[in-house]
Amino acid sequence: KQEVTQIPAALSVPEGENLVLNCSFTDSAIYNLQWFRQDPGKGLTSLLLIQSSQREQTSGRLNASLDKSSGRSTLYIAASQPGDSATYLCAALDNYGQNFVFGPGTRLSVLP
Amino acid sequence: GAVVSQHPSWVICKSGTSVKIECRSLDFQATTMFWYRQFPKQSLMLMATSNEGSKATYEQGVEKDKFLINHASLTLSTLTVTSAHPEDSSFYICSARGSGGPYEQYFGPGTRLTVT
Repeated sequence: KQEVTQIPAALSVPEGENLVLNCSFTDSAIYNLQWFRQDPGKGLTSLLLIQSSQREQTSGRLNASLDKSSGRSTLYIAASQPGDSATYLCAALDNYGQNFVFGPGTRLSVLP
Repeated sequence: GAVVSQHPSWVICKSGTSVKIECRSLDFQATTMFWYRQFPKQSLMLMATSNEGSKATYEQGVEKDKFLINHASLTLSTLTVTSAHPEDSSFYICSARGSGGPYEQYFGPGTRLTVT
């Protein structure tokens, strides 16, 4: 059974810093991995999706990498801003495209 | 990106009553829809998966007679919480996926249910 973990659970950084959020999964047989952002009391916003055949995806200040063999993905946020404060969730989709397993999330606070 | 809407965004109901939550895919056909619940400061837990025109598949521990899911069309799924109790108070989020790859899931804004 796939298990997804995220480190750290919470992170507080000053504005302008570059930061890395980590996601690990136990079963490397995944179809894709998605990173989401969730603001308090809100739904999920998809940030990046990495197919299993890809190594990384970039969108603006965000870069996500995927290493299937080691069961890891990282989300890199450059030049963080207070507006980046949110909970970041990663989720892995199994090879059959059926089970989508979420990690517990990383709560990020970017201080002005 | 594709848009998924939910209605209502929040609802308060009395214990013992039923409440229905709608999930719509606005600009694509969702062959598969998912219902999640999320407790405060916790991650999303999958409740059930539904394919259009088929019965929903419920995750272990989720009472299918209590959480009725209907996916009658390619753009609409509903979750009905029957005989709601205070412990059913939670944040319910639906997501939808079109057919074929890359199987990207799009999430609704969520519905906050409070049972008094």
